[in-house]
Amino acid sequence: EAGVAQSPRYKIIEKRQSVAFWCNPISGHATLYWYQQILGQGPKLLIQFQNNGVVDDSQLPKDRFSAERLKGVDSTLKIQPAKLEDSAVYLCASSLRGALYEQYFGPGTRLTVT
Amino acid sequence: QKEVEQDPGPLSVPEGAIVSLNCTYSNSAFQYFMWYRQYSRKGPELLMYTYSSGNKEDGRFTAQVDKSSKYISLFIRDSQPSDSATYLCAMSARPGGGADGLTFGKGTHLIIQP
Repeated sequence: EAGVAQSPRYKIIEKRQSVAFWCNPISGHATLYWYQQILGQGPKLLIQFQNNGVVDDSQLPKDRFSAERLKGVDSTLKIQPAKLEDSAVYLCASSLRGALYEQYFGPGTRLTVT
Repeated sequence: QKEVEQDPGPLSVPEGAIVSLNCTYSNSAFQYFMWYRQYSRKGPELLMYTYSSGNKEDGRFTAQVDKSSKYISLFIRDSQPSDSATYLCAMSARPGGGADGLTFGKGTHLIIQP
């Protein structure tokens, strides 16, 4: 079974630029999560999708972050414009039935904002 | 006081030793407890999941939950150099998602010396 795929793996941008990350969850997994992991911290949930609907985005900085999950499969997370404090690893995870204890994480995208 | 406290380490032990990793928490509503292993530049991988109090064993790994003390532990027996990684505890008050669904510790960096 293929795992959660993410691209790109690394991205370096200047502040105020835009960036987009892509995630392909495990086939058949209805629930998709985006997390932000700052160096030395645990992951923090940004947004959770159930199929193509948003379950919770209360911790997503909506003035600069946006996310979508078209057709209930792939998802993109966008930052526009980026700030220095957005430097982090952005992790995508998926779950078959939405249970937190059965999440599978992708390798993450490491973003550096200079 | 943070909701979940975890010593970041690093914790360095010789190969073959028993490793004890711990987290404390303040939210008495937490019922679901997880341990993740995260290798450098990889996403977290679920190791152990425990519901409520008690012990759970899986091979060389044992997870313990003491809800009365708000304290959880992960023991690794016969530690191997391949166990060197960051170990994240995570917990939730409910099995489903949402922004308050899963709270992670900062992670403990473990080094097993050959």
